[in-house]
This record gives sequence, structure tokens and C-alpha cells, in this order.
Amino acid sequence: RKEVEQDPGPFNVPEGATVAFNCTYSNSASQSFFWYRQDCRKEPKLLMSVYSSGNEDGRFTAQLNRASQYISLLIRDSKLSDSATYLCVARNDYKLSFGAGTTVTVRA
Amino acid sequence: GAVVSQHPSRVICKSGTSVKIECRSLDFQATTMFWYRQFPKQSLMLMATSNEGSKATYEQGVEKDKFLINHASLTLSTLTVTSAHPEDSSFYICSGLAGPNEQFFGPGTRLTVL
Repeated sequence: RKEVEQDPGPFNVPEGATVAFNCTYSNSASQSFFWYRQDCRKEPKLLMSVYSSGNEDGRFTAQLNRASQYISLLIRDSKLSDSATYLCVARNDYKLSFGAGTTVTVRA
Repeated sequence: GAVVSQHPSRVICKSGTSVKIECRSLDFQATTMFWYRQFPKQSLMLMATSNEGSKATYEQGVEKDKFLINHASLTLSTLTVTSAHPEDSSFYICSGLAGPNEQFFGPGTRLTVL
């Protein structure tokens, strides 16, 4: 079983729409969680950390449910530039476990 | 954030040859660096953890004699893919550990073995 599982999508949404997706993780010892963004053929870049209380960064809202081992990301007012693959990541000590990514395409 | 570079960004080689990939931390010292591999439409998979001045720690299933890692200085780690075969074709990404548990990724190296 993969440590981090994600719905691969793709999610194809119009500009201005809200899109939400999630992931699950299997290692209950994971200490912290992140969403990374990866553009085609590029390295992943940190989008935001995820906290149990839920947190926002502009149009992005992340949520963590430790009891269900479930993490979500919501993007409001989607922009064309939000088109990317979003990677769910769990950290245990210094090791990062990546999901395979959820692809989002925002169309004009 | 901290900057990590990788060289080369892309390499094409013949089957059986060896390829060396360099990973440099440009504005910080990275006592620990990580090497990942990503196949198309799959997740980044940690291959090994490289500590300056000591032997690398390899993840299960990664052949240490095939993927040679050297971390001779606080700013440079190298990965050598020895006797490369087409199934080694992948996107190789390194990251440097800056501060407690914060990783910064290099731009990746796309390896194609013919």
C-alpha cells in the first residue's frame, strides 16, 4: 500500500470555479503535512503546510483530519495559473512521502 | 527560500554507460541531501539519504552499487547511475535539508537511456 494516496484527477474547471480534492496517508506516525505544486517536467515547490486547525493562504485552504488520516486542499476563484499537479506530502522525521499527485486544469 | 542547483538538466546516454548528476546547495550548507526518482505519472520516490562525510542510506529496493552517491562537501552531492539501462530513464531530483526538516528541491535531471 502506498503511504500517500491521491485521486489523480484530472480536475478540469473553468476560471473562477472552486475545486477541492484530498488525499489519505497510511502512516499514523507522520508528523507534518504539506501540499506541493509541480508543473510539468519541473521540481515540486512548496505550496503550503497543513495544520489540524485548517489554514488558508490566499485562495488556498488546507485541512487535516488526523483521526481519518485525511488531508484536503481547496482552491477558490481558480486562475489559469493554478493549472498544475498538486502533490500531497506526509513527513515522518526528515523523510517526505509523496502522493502521485492530482492534476488540475483551469480553462478560460 | 534556499536554492539548490542540479547539473545536467537533461542527459541522453547509451545503454551500459555511466552518468553522473551533481546537486549543489548554492546559498546554504546541506549536511543532508536526498535523492528522489520520479517516473511518469508517479510520485517522487526517495532513493537515498546522503550525509556529508559518510555513506549514504539507501531505501529498500534501491541498489547501492548501481546508484553511487558521494557527498564530499557541505554543498555538493553526486549521484552516479552506473551501467545505465533504459529502465533507469527517469526524472532524478535532489533536495537539500536546510534547517530542521525543511527541504529545498533542485530543478531535476531528466535521464534518457537509449
